[in-house]
Amino acid sequence: DQQVKQNSPSLSVQEGRISILNCDYTNSMFDYFLWYKKYPAEGPTFLISISSIKDKNEDGRFTVFLNKSAKHLSLHIVPSQPGDSAVYFCAASEMDSNYQLIWGAGTKLIIKP
Amino acid sequence: DSGVTQTPKHLITATGQRVTLRCSPRSGDLSVYWYQQSLDQGLQFLIHYYNGEERAKGNILERFSAQQFPDLHSELNLSSLELGDSALYFCASSVTGGLGTDTQYFGPGTRLTVL
Repeated sequence: DQQVKQNSPSLSVQEGRISILNCDYTNSMFDYFLWYKKYPAEGPTFLISISSIKDKNEDGRFTVFLNKSAKHLSLHIVPSQPGDSAVYFCAASEMDSNYQLIWGAGTKLIIKP
Repeated sequence: DSGVTQTPKHLITATGQRVTLRCSPRSGDLSVYWYQQSLDQGLQFLIHYYNGEERAKGNILERFSAQQFPDLHSELNLSSLELGDSALYFCASSVTGGLGTDTQYFGPGTRLTVL
């Protein structure tokens, strides 16, 4: 039972354009969401997070949007840069489970020059 | 560099064997988390230790065990290994015990191959 789904295994975007990565979840009790980025041969690196009391959080070129009614969140990267090429993982957690992270399978983002 | 170290980087062993993976958290972090990532899958949470005590268990097999020592480093022991245990094993650390939403910092992982 996949509680967090990233339905696109890969995404290719032109440098300078907007990258939009999507994530869906099934557990309405999730109240905290995170995006991590992972380069080959390295561990995941925290990118940005959002609490369920918000619908948007922005950090530089990265913005996460949360649509609770649709149980959907997305990560926008504007403008996309070659260094953004990586695998992006969406993760979710809830206070009742001590914020144990449930992870999506990841989306490989490729930025084309 | 996240400040979390994991050894060894690669491990190749045979079915039925036992291995130990080691993790040193960032300086000052009290929590250690272990994750397993099989091919093209998301990370599966295995277990969480906080200041030497087990805090939460996820999808950890009975053949696997872990502990966190007084110096806060942690070891993940995998025994009676099977082919399906081949995966990347990540360790992460965080400042607190997960009561808040503190960031987890990941090590580079140990790639385990069971032949």
